Amino acid sequence: AQSVSQHNHHVILSEAASLELGCNYSYGGTVNLFWYVQYPGQHLQLLLKYFSGDPLVKGIKGFEAEFIKSKFSFNLRKPSVQWSDTAEYFCAILGGGGADGLTFGKGTHLIIQP
Amino acid sequence: EAGVTQFPSHSVIEKGQTVTLRCDPISGHDNLYWYRRVMGKEIKFLLHFVKESKQDESGMPNNRFLAERTGGTYSTLKVQPAELEDSGVYFCASSQPRGGKYNEQFFGPGTRLTVL
Repeated sequence: AQSVSQHNHHVILSEAASLELGCNYSYGGTVNLFWYVQYPGQHLQLLLKYFSGDPLVKGIKGFEAEFIKSKFSFNLRKPSVQWSDTAEYFCAILGGGGADGLTFGKGTHLIIQP
Repeated sequence: EAGVTQFPSHSVIEKGQTVTLRCDPISGHDNLYWYRRVMGKEIKFLLHFVKESKQDESGMPNNRFLAERTGGTYSTLKVQPAELEDSGVYFCASSQPRGGKYNEQFFGPGTRLTVL
């Protein structure tokens, strides 16, 4: 069975700090990888996705993620966070394990202090 | 364009009662997914419709849960009878596949279900 592990459940940073949220997955086949974000009071929305090609993926709002196949990782990064980045971030995979739906990690609450 | 909508936004019921959640996908999206997030845990896949057909219901927890999508438009998820462990946030998502490639799943706001 496939699974996703997010290393930090709560992260607190100051504005302008650099961000890296860890994500590791467990699945032996080809996977599609995603980061979703849920801002307070809003829907889950897609930040970025990786299907194939360049392992460094650029997303919205200055976020990027790097797929490292040998490490089964897809960490999310942003060089300089803003107060408006306060949200919950979810890493997810879509693998060929049989289920059609996304497999999510437990999420990381990110709080940016002004 | 309207997004995925869910109704109700909150529901509080007693153990043993029945609750029906509704999801209206984005117009034209054939794929509809239900997910659930129990407090403190990850968002878990429940099932997937393609139009009115259940494509994959491997995530449905037990036979107290019944999902339908008559006519291939909106979907309902009924819990009967509800148990305490059914409390959580139920999300719906929809997508429109093109040529067999995965398309982004657009999520609704969720329904927060509390079973007392």
